[in-house]
Amino acid sequence: EDKVVQSPLSLVVHEGDTVTLNCSYEVTNFRSLLWYKQEKKAPTFLFMLTSSGIEKKSGRLSSILDKKELFSILNITATQTGDSAVYLCAGGFDDKIIFGKGTRLHILP
Amino acid sequence: NAGVTQTPKFRVLKTGQSMTLLCAQDMNHEYMYWYRQDPGMGLRLIHYSVGEGTTAKGEVPDGYNVSRLKKQNFLLGLESAAPSQTSVYFCASSPFLGVEAFFGQGTRLTVV
Repeated sequence: EDKVVQSPLSLVVHEGDTVTLNCSYEVTNFRSLLWYKQEKKAPTFLFMLTSSGIEKKSGRLSSILDKKELFSILNITATQTGDSAVYLCAGGFDDKIIFGKGTRLHILP
Repeated sequence: NAGVTQTPKFRVLKTGQSMTLLCAQDMNHEYMYWYRQDPGMGLRLIHYSVGEGTTAKGEVPDGYNVSRLKKQNFLLGLESAAPSQTSVYFCASSPFLGVEAFFGQGTRLTVV
Protein backbone atom coordinates (compact mmCIF):
# COMPACT_ATOMS: atom_id res chain seq x y z
CA GLU A 1 0.00 0.00 0.00
CA ASP A 2 1.36 3.41 -0.97
CA LYS A 3 1.85 5.77 1.94
CA VAL A 4 3.44 9.05 2.93
CA VAL A 5 4.50 9.70 6.52
CA GLN A 6 5.38 13.13 7.86
CA SER A 7 7.14 14.07 11.08
CA PRO A 8 6.80 15.78 13.36
CA LEU A 9 3.03 16.23 13.26
CA SER A 10 3.31 19.46 15.20
CA LEU A 11 6.12 21.91 15.87
CA VAL A 12 6.37 25.16 17.80
CA VAL A 13 9.47 27.34 17.43
CA HIS A 14 10.47 30.96 17.95
CA GLU A 15 10.80 33.48 15.18
CA GLY A 16 14.27 33.34 13.69
CA ASP A 17 14.75 29.62 14.31
CA THR A 18 15.48 27.12 11.54
CA VAL A 19 13.16 24.14 11.15
CA THR A 20 13.40 20.86 9.29
CA LEU A 21 10.29 18.95 8.32
CA ASN A 22 10.50 15.31 7.33
CA CYS A 23 8.65 13.20 4.81
CA SER A 24 9.16 9.51 4.11
CA TYR A 25 7.33 7.40 1.57
CA GLU A 26 6.69 3.82 0.58
CA VAL A 27 5.41 3.51 -2.93
CA THR A 28 5.26 1.66 -6.16
CA ASN A 29 6.06 3.53 -9.37
CA PHE A 30 7.30 6.73 -7.77
CA ARG A 31 7.08 9.81 -9.99
CA SER A 32 7.57 12.86 -7.78
CA LEU A 33 7.55 14.28 -4.27
CA LEU A 34 5.52 17.44 -3.73
CA TRP A 35 5.48 19.98 -0.91
CA TYR A 36 2.53 22.30 -0.21
CA LYS A 37 1.78 24.99 2.35
CA GLN A 38 -1.74 25.28 3.71
CA GLU A 39 -2.95 28.25 5.69
CA LYS A 40 -6.66 28.95 5.98
CA LYS A 41 -7.84 27.49 2.71
CA ALA A 42 -6.50 25.48 -0.21
CA PRO A 43 -2.94 24.13 -0.28
CA THR A 44 -0.47 26.20 -2.24
CA PHE A 45 2.38 24.57 -4.13
CA LEU A 46 5.96 24.94 -2.90
CA PHE A 47 8.22 22.38 -4.58
CA MET A 48 8.27 19.36 -6.83
CA LEU A 49 11.21 16.96 -6.54
CA THR A 50 11.98 14.13 -8.91
CA SER A 51 15.75 13.64 -8.69
CA SER A 52 17.87 12.69 -5.70
CA GLY A 53 20.33 15.15 -4.23
CA ILE A 54 19.23 18.23 -6.14
CA GLU A 55 18.14 20.99 -3.80
CA LYS A 56 15.20 23.15 -4.73
CA LYS A 57 15.24 26.61 -3.20
CA SER A 58 12.80 29.49 -2.89
CA GLY A 59 13.83 32.30 -0.60
CA ARG A 60 14.17 30.91 2.91
CA LEU A 61 12.64 27.55 1.96
CA SER A 62 14.57 24.66 0.49
CA SER A 63 13.93 20.98 -0.08
CA ILE A 64 15.82 17.90 -1.13
CA LEU A 65 14.95 14.33 -2.05
CA ASP A 66 16.73 11.05 -1.30
CA LYS A 67 15.29 8.36 -3.56
CA LYS A 68 17.52 5.65 -2.14
CA GLU A 69 16.35 6.17 1.44
CA LEU A 70 12.85 7.23 0.34
CA PHE A 71 12.58 10.55 2.14
CA SER A 72 12.55 14.27 1.66
CA ILE A 73 13.12 17.24 3.95
CA LEU A 74 11.80 20.77 3.85
CA ASN A 75 13.98 23.41 5.53
CA ILE A 76 12.85 26.85 6.56
CA THR A 77 15.55 29.23 7.77
CA ALA A 78 15.07 32.45 9.75
CA THR A 79 11.41 31.60 10.34
CA GLN A 80 8.79 34.34 10.48
CA THR A 81 5.28 34.36 11.96
CA GLY A 82 3.93 34.23 8.41
CA ASP A 83 5.46 30.77 8.04
CA SER A 84 2.89 29.43 10.50
CA ALA A 85 0.87 26.89 8.52
CA VAL A 86 0.35 23.22 7.86
CA TYR A 87 3.02 21.84 5.54
CA LEU A 88 1.89 18.91 3.43
CA CYS A 89 4.05 16.39 1.69
CA ALA A 90 2.61 14.37 -1.18
CA GLY A 91 3.81 11.62 -3.44
CA GLY A 92 3.00 11.28 -7.11
CA PHE A 93 2.66 7.50 -7.51
CA ASP A 94 1.28 5.59 -10.48
CA ASP A 95 -1.59 7.82 -11.59
CA LYS A 96 -2.51 9.49 -8.29
CA ILE A 97 -1.23 11.89 -5.63
CA ILE A 98 -1.24 10.72 -2.00
CA PHE A 99 -0.72 13.12 0.91
CA GLY A 100 0.75 12.71 4.36
CA LYS A 101 -1.03 14.00 7.46
CA GLY A 102 0.92 17.24 7.45
CA THR A 103 3.13 19.07 9.93
CA ARG A 104 1.45 21.92 11.80
CA LEU A 105 4.11 24.60 12.30
CA HIS A 106 3.54 27.47 14.70
CA ILE A 107 6.04 30.32 14.91
CA LEU A 108 6.06 32.32 18.14
CA PRO A 109 6.94 36.03 17.86
CA ASN B 1 -7.88 33.23 -14.12
CA ALA B 2 -10.55 30.84 -12.80
CA GLY B 3 -8.34 27.74 -12.46
CA VAL B 4 -10.25 25.17 -10.38
CA THR B 5 -13.71 26.17 -9.17
CA GLN B 6 -15.77 24.22 -6.65
CA THR B 7 -19.50 24.58 -6.14
CA PRO B 8 -20.95 25.03 -3.54
CA LYS B 9 -18.56 26.51 -0.97
CA PHE B 10 -20.69 25.56 2.04
CA ARG B 11 -23.53 23.11 2.55
CA VAL B 12 -25.45 21.61 5.44
CA LEU B 13 -27.20 18.29 4.81
CA LYS B 14 -29.45 16.12 6.89
CA THR B 15 -28.50 12.48 7.35
CA GLY B 16 -29.76 10.45 4.42
CA GLN B 17 -29.96 13.35 1.96
CA SER B 18 -28.04 13.30 -1.29
CA MET B 19 -26.01 15.96 -3.00
CA THR B 20 -23.47 16.54 -5.75
CA LEU B 21 -20.33 18.64 -5.52
CA LEU B 22 -19.11 20.14 -8.77
CA CYS B 23 -15.51 20.74 -9.71
CA ALA B 24 -14.72 22.66 -12.89
CA GLN B 25 -11.27 23.43 -14.32
CA ASP B 26 -10.44 25.61 -17.28
CA MET B 27 -6.80 24.54 -17.74
CA ASN B 28 -7.49 21.55 -20.01
CA HIS B 29 -5.98 19.21 -17.42
CA GLU B 30 -6.29 15.46 -17.88
CA TYR B 31 -6.11 14.45 -14.22
CA MET B 32 -8.63 15.40 -11.57
CA TYR B 33 -8.89 14.41 -7.92
CA TRP B 34 -11.31 14.63 -5.02
CA TYR B 35 -9.89 14.77 -1.48
CA ARG B 36 -11.40 15.15 1.93
CA GLN B 37 -9.64 16.87 4.80
CA ASP B 38 -10.40 16.18 8.44
CA PRO B 39 -8.54 17.59 11.46
CA GLY B 40 -5.16 15.94 11.85
CA MET B 41 -5.64 13.68 8.82
CA GLY B 42 -4.07 15.60 5.97
CA LEU B 43 -5.76 15.16 2.60
CA ARG B 44 -7.20 11.73 1.81
CA LEU B 45 -7.91 10.77 -1.77
CA ILE B 46 -11.53 9.77 -2.41
CA HIS B 47 -11.67 9.20 -6.16
CA TYR B 48 -9.70 10.40 -9.13
CA SER B 49 -9.83 10.50 -12.92
CA VAL B 50 -7.08 10.17 -15.49
CA GLY B 51 -9.15 11.54 -18.34
CA GLU B 52 -12.62 12.15 -19.67
CA GLY B 53 -14.88 9.15 -19.10
CA THR B 54 -12.56 7.49 -16.55
CA THR B 55 -12.74 7.23 -12.76
CA ALA B 56 -10.84 5.25 -10.15
CA LYS B 57 -11.03 4.66 -6.41
CA GLY B 58 -8.66 6.35 -4.02
CA GLU B 59 -7.94 5.71 -0.35
CA VAL B 60 -11.43 6.37 1.08
CA PRO B 61 -14.02 5.80 -1.69
CA ASP B 62 -16.88 4.26 0.32
CA GLY B 63 -20.07 6.30 0.36
CA TYR B 64 -19.08 8.41 -2.65
CA ASN B 65 -19.52 8.18 -6.39
CA VAL B 66 -17.97 10.26 -9.16
CA SER B 67 -18.41 11.00 -12.82
CA ARG B 68 -16.27 12.68 -15.47
CA LEU B 69 -18.52 13.05 -18.49
CA LYS B 70 -16.69 16.17 -19.70
CA LYS B 71 -12.97 16.78 -19.42
CA GLN B 72 -13.40 20.02 -17.53
CA ASN B 73 -15.85 18.73 -14.91
CA PHE B 74 -15.50 16.18 -12.12
CA LEU B 75 -18.58 15.52 -9.99
CA LEU B 76 -18.58 13.99 -6.51
CA GLY B 77 -21.84 12.50 -5.31
CA LEU B 78 -23.07 11.51 -1.89
CA GLU B 79 -26.09 9.23 -2.28
CA SER B 80 -27.06 9.02 1.39
CA ALA B 81 -25.09 11.45 3.53
CA ALA B 82 -23.81 10.35 6.95
CA PRO B 83 -22.37 12.46 9.79
CA SER B 84 -18.99 10.76 9.15
CA GLN B 85 -18.91 12.59 5.82
CA THR B 86 -18.74 15.96 7.53
CA SER B 87 -15.51 17.33 6.16
CA VAL B 88 -13.84 19.87 3.91
CA TYR B 89 -13.70 18.60 0.35
CA PHE B 90 -11.02 19.72 -2.09
CA CYS B 91 -10.89 19.15 -5.79
CA ALA B 92 -7.59 19.33 -7.67
CA SER B 93 -6.37 18.95 -11.23
CA SER B 94 -3.01 18.38 -12.89
CA PRO B 95 -1.93 18.38 -16.53
CA PHE B 96 -0.20 14.99 -16.41
CA LEU B 97 1.18 12.38 -14.02
CA GLY B 98 3.27 13.25 -11.03
CA VAL B 99 3.31 17.01 -11.30
CA GLU B 100 1.86 19.87 -9.29
CA ALA B 101 -1.85 19.64 -8.65
CA PHE B 102 -3.88 22.86 -8.59
CA PHE B 103 -6.55 23.08 -5.92
CA GLY B 104 -10.00 24.56 -5.70
CA GLN B 105 -10.96 26.62 -2.65
CA GLY B 106 -12.79 23.77 -0.94
CA THR B 107 -16.34 22.90 0.07
CA ARG B 108 -17.21 22.74 3.74
CA LEU B 109 -19.90 20.08 4.18
CA THR B 110 -21.71 19.44 7.44
CA VAL B 111 -24.04 16.46 7.81
CA VAL B 112 -26.38 16.67 10.80
